[in-house]
Amino acid sequence: DAGVTQSPTHLIKTRGQQVTLRCSPKSGHDTVSWYQQALGQGPQFIFQYYEEEERQRGNFPDRFSGHQFPNYSSELNVNALLLGDSALYLCASSLWTGAGYTFGSGTRLTVV
Amino acid sequence: QQQVKQSPQSLIVQKGGISIINCAYENTAFDYFPWYQQFPGKGPALLIAIRPDVSEKKEGRFTISFNKSAKQFSLHIMDSQPGDSATYFCAASAGDSSYKLIFGSGTRLLVRP
Repeated sequence: DAGVTQSPTHLIKTRGQQVTLRCSPKSGHDTVSWYQQALGQGPQFIFQYYEEEERQRGNFPDRFSGHQFPNYSSELNVNALLLGDSALYLCASSLWTGAGYTFGSGTRLTVV
Repeated sequence: QQQVKQSPQSLIVQKGGISIINCAYENTAFDYFPWYQQFPGKGPALLIAIRPDVSEKKEGRFTISFNKSAKQFSLHIMDSQPGDSATYFCAASAGDSSYKLIFGSGTRLLVRP
């Protein structure tokens, strides 16, 4: 049973560029959440998608956007990258009806 | 009010000892309190979770103690092993277990052989 799959694992971008991160949820899960984890910090909630709609959003600017596809996979897009966007981006899948998160191993984004 | 404060930042324990990590919260709407374990290069993995209707929950060597009046909860790792060396995060949410989580800042645990 495959867990949460994220791609790519590592990424280096230049300030001002745009980036897209991808996530395939655990089999049977219908909800995808994205978290940002800065070095040495706990994850911070970005947003959550269910039925292809954003259901909850954390305190992140509009430069952060997402999408969920009919097969439940998801993308996180970040525009106009800042140095401060350098972090581990974690995708977590779950069931809308509960049962807790399963996290992926993350995408390490470095903005130079 | 949305913060979850976690301490200590780092912890060194001898093999066989007890590791204790503490968290405190302000938002009384929080009603789900999980603990996650994270190894380097991996995402967090759910260890154990508790809801405020019980004061303690035990799973194997891991125990959560919950004090609703003090708005505090803690993780106890009994008989700590070198394989337990990892970063531990407490978290809280107001809603079901798939609602957005507010994480603590983490505790880096090192268990010496």
